[in-house]
Amino acid sequence: SQQGEEDPQALSIQEGENATMNCSYKTSINNLQWYRQNSGRGLVHLILIRSNEREKHSGRLRVTLDTSKKSSSLLITASRAADTASYFCATGAMDSSYKLIFGSGTRLLVRP
Amino acid sequence: SAVISQKPSRDICQRGTSLTIQCQVDSQVTMMFWYRQQPGQSLTLIATANQGSEATYESGFVIDKFPISRPNLTFSTLTVSNMSPEDSSIYLCSVEDRGGRPGETQYFGPGTRLLVL
Repeated sequence: SQQGEEDPQALSIQEGENATMNCSYKTSINNLQWYRQNSGRGLVHLILIRSNEREKHSGRLRVTLDTSKKSSSLLITASRAADTASYFCATGAMDSSYKLIFGSGTRLLVRP
Repeated sequence: SAVISQKPSRDICQRGTSLTIQCQVDSQVTMMFWYRQQPGQSLTLIATANQGSEATYESGFVIDKFPISRPNLTFSTLTVSNMSPEDSSIYLCSVEDRGGRPGETQYFGPGTRLLVL
């Protein structure tokens, strides 16, 4: 079953604005990752944050993790039209298995 | 990182038939994963395929419907058997990052878009 939910389900912003997406999950995790998917194609790994980390940055991406609330957020700053895609969070389990469980996804539209 | 290719990229099939999807990786990996993504939905793990052993299927997926082969460390196939329109989805294979820890980064193929009429 789905591990987590993301909100919003869809987000439309103007180029240059910031986009924030949220992910909630249900069980204890080893790590949380964010992936991007363009137009129903393969997923691209964006960033990983481990359960003992609270914040991580990569270029225009900022990820936070609150394990007490079982939630994470992805912030994309100064968005570009090329950021238009679906974004998924995925959690890695505590049991050292290789399985990832994906959230429901947020569809981001960046208007030029 | 890993470069993954899938064949076919898309197909339109008649109900009752079967389709075999191929996944090729440019390096040797222990585990390969097969996911299904139904229209407008998230990814659901179908099974994990290790070389030299039977695939491990997730709840709701069975070997008779989704047989998987893993003949070597760079290749796997997923067959969608006796297809119905409900099998219309994108099927994606992925591999773990060889330098990473369990349950961390995965690299994905471009997906196979299947439409069953």
